[in-house]
Amino acid sequence: NAGVTQTPKFRVLKTGQSMTLLCAQDMNHEYMYWYRQDPGMGLRLIHYSVGEGTTAKGEVPDGYNVSRLKKQNFLLGLESAAPSQTSVYFCASTNTGGWLGDTQYFGPGTRLTVL
Amino acid sequence: DQQVKQNSPSLSVQEGRISILNCDYTNSMFDYFLWYKKYPAEGPTFLISISSIKDKNEDGRFTVFLNKSAKHLSLHIVPSQPGDSAVYFCAASATTSGTYKYIFGTGTRLKVLA
Repeated sequence: NAGVTQTPKFRVLKTGQSMTLLCAQDMNHEYMYWYRQDPGMGLRLIHYSVGEGTTAKGEVPDGYNVSRLKKQNFLLGLESAAPSQTSVYFCASTNTGGWLGDTQYFGPGTRLTVL
Repeated sequence: DQQVKQNSPSLSVQEGRISILNCDYTNSMFDYFLWYKKYPAEGPTFLISISSIKDKNEDGRFTVFLNKSAKHLSLHIVPSQPGDSAVYFCAASATTSGTYKYIFGTGTRLKVLA
């Protein structure tokens, strides 16, 4: 039981390049989330999914796209990377989407630098 | 518009003493609150939670207090240990709103001095 895994762990991009971050969970969770963590800003929600085939915008969705084609995977795409997207990205999953007693399980993070 | 605020970016405490981390929120729909702990180069891990029907929840050395009228919660760690040194995030959820989201604060970096 690996929990939540993220690929890759580190990446350096040039401005304008594209990439996809992969999140996988083996807990059969319905809800999955992508956050970014920046100094002094905490964890900010980019996009989330309430089930296979669904996606929704979070607080800071601009410049990102997501897909949830399989229940266990949640992909975050950057079509044209910008230096402002330099951040640490965390994926999380949860069973009941914030109901009482629920908790999110986080991946180890992806550190992305855009030059 | 920061709905969940942690106004102290950092806190230093001597080993064995009490650590008190604070969190304020503005959205009266929030009814479920959580604390997460994060070590460098790792993802956050769940620590303790509390629902709005309670004003206190305890788990070993960790206790969370909720003051709904003040829209304030706090995490107490007693006694503090060097291994508690980490960044602590509070998070809130409005479970009856159907939004399925957690809103996080900006975090407080706790340093426990040996």
